[in-house]
Amino acid sequence: NAGVTQTPKFQVLKTGQSMTLQCAQDMNHNSMYWYRQDPGMGLRLIYYSASEGTTDKGEVPNGYNVSRLNKREFSLRLESAAPSQTSVYFCASSEWVGSNTIYFGEGSWLTVV
Amino acid sequence: DQQVKQNSPSLSVQEGRISILNCDYTNSMFDYFLWYKKYPAEGPTFLISISSIKDKNEDGRFTVFLNKSAKHLSLHIVPSQPGDSAVYFCAASSLSGSARQLTFGSGTQLTVLP
Repeated sequence: NAGVTQTPKFQVLKTGQSMTLQCAQDMNHNSMYWYRQDPGMGLRLIYYSASEGTTDKGEVPNGYNVSRLNKREFSLRLESAAPSQTSVYFCASSEWVGSNTIYFGEGSWLTVV
Repeated sequence: DQQVKQNSPSLSVQEGRISILNCDYTNSMFDYFLWYKKYPAEGPTFLISISSIKDKNEDGRFTVFLNKSAKHLSLHIVPSQPGDSAVYFCAASSLSGSARQLTFGSGTQLTVLP
């Protein structure tokens, strides 16, 4: 069972570069999420998509854009990377946006130098 | 202002003994609570949850207790095993419109010593 898969797993960027993190889920879930995790802090929600065709800001959306390409895929884009965006990024999905339980991918380690 | 706090960054326990991980919250609107477990280089995986209408939920070696008046929940692992060594995140859920929002604590690193 693949569940939630995200790529790339590791990436080093220079300040100002752009990149896109890809995420796909095979559980037929309606809702998808992007979180970031920083040392000493919990996971913080960047953006979410309640259903195909919709996206909404989370707690820390600045510097990011997202695209819900279809029901399976939800991408996160950094248009102009900054060192403050060095973090571990987790994609997640849930059956619907009101579900209590969400399922995470394995994470993408991003370093901006 | 952290709405979900895990005040112990780390905990070490001997194999076979009880592990108790604690979590405090401040928002009275939270109505569902979850524990996630995270191994290095992996994503968090759901472990156990509890609704605010209950005070205890048990699943095998894992039990979660909720004290609403104290805004406190705890995860008990009995007996602890070396494979339980991981970071444990407490999360609290509230409904915002039709969407559920999860707020996570900062995590507790549990080490179970053989």
